[in-house]
Amino acid sequence: QMTLKESGPTLVKPTQTLTLTCTLSAFSISTSGVGVGWIRQPPGKALEWLALIYWDDDKRYSPSLKSRLTITKDTSKNQVVLTMTNMDPVDTATYYCAHSIWLGVLGYFDYWGQGTLVTVSS
Amino acid sequence: EIVLTQSPGTLSLSPGERATLSCRASQSVSSSYLAWYQQKPGQAPRLLIYGASSRATGIPDRFSGSGSGTDFTLTISRLEPEDFALYYCQQYGSPLAFGQGTKLEIK
Repeated sequence: QMTLKESGPTLVKPTQTLTLTCTLSAFSISTSGVGVGWIRQPPGKALEWLALIYWDDDKRYSPSLKSRLTITKDTSKNQVVLTMTNMDPVDTATYYCAHSIWLGVLGYFDYWGQGTLVTVSS
Repeated sequence: EIVLTQSPGTLSLSPGERATLSCRASQSVSSSYLAWYQQKPGQAPRLLIYGASSRATGIPDRFSGSGSGTDFTLTISRLEPEDFALYYCQQYGSPLAFGQGTKLEIK
């Protein structure tokens, strides 16, 4: 059974950089066709896609947040890392990582982590 | 960028009734690259439908998806108590986008 688990700080200060790690189990980010994405959800609000990385290191970003985001993969640890710069209280949200498959286009997300709540406050 | 608008915002129905949820795109969604998710409080979303009409693994057949172009529908034929939740549509062209959600509540 594929699983994903997010880890990182629960509290960051405004202007700081957030770094989140997604650890993958029962599948490899190195396998052809595999992708891992990040999606966030502010409390009581809708889902928002942030970024996606594929096995071949193809990276895609939300246009509205592209300047603040970097997604990378560590194949030796089977992890995907998201960094978001210049954090603001409006970035307070539950951050999810999720498994996807390259379909010739960006894909849907069939396995999700449990999510991690990140609060931005001084 | 494609914007997805879901309606209604809230749908109040009783168990056993039929639910029809709508997702409208601001531009045509290529090749029906549309998915539906269910989310319950405190849980991650769960994939229900992909490719507009294909059920994900383990999803009961009371859930069905239809539509093409700019208009898509998720139908739950007979509501079970566990179906009352939030539902999101997502298009997976580039860039990805989610709708704002429909809350399905017990009447």
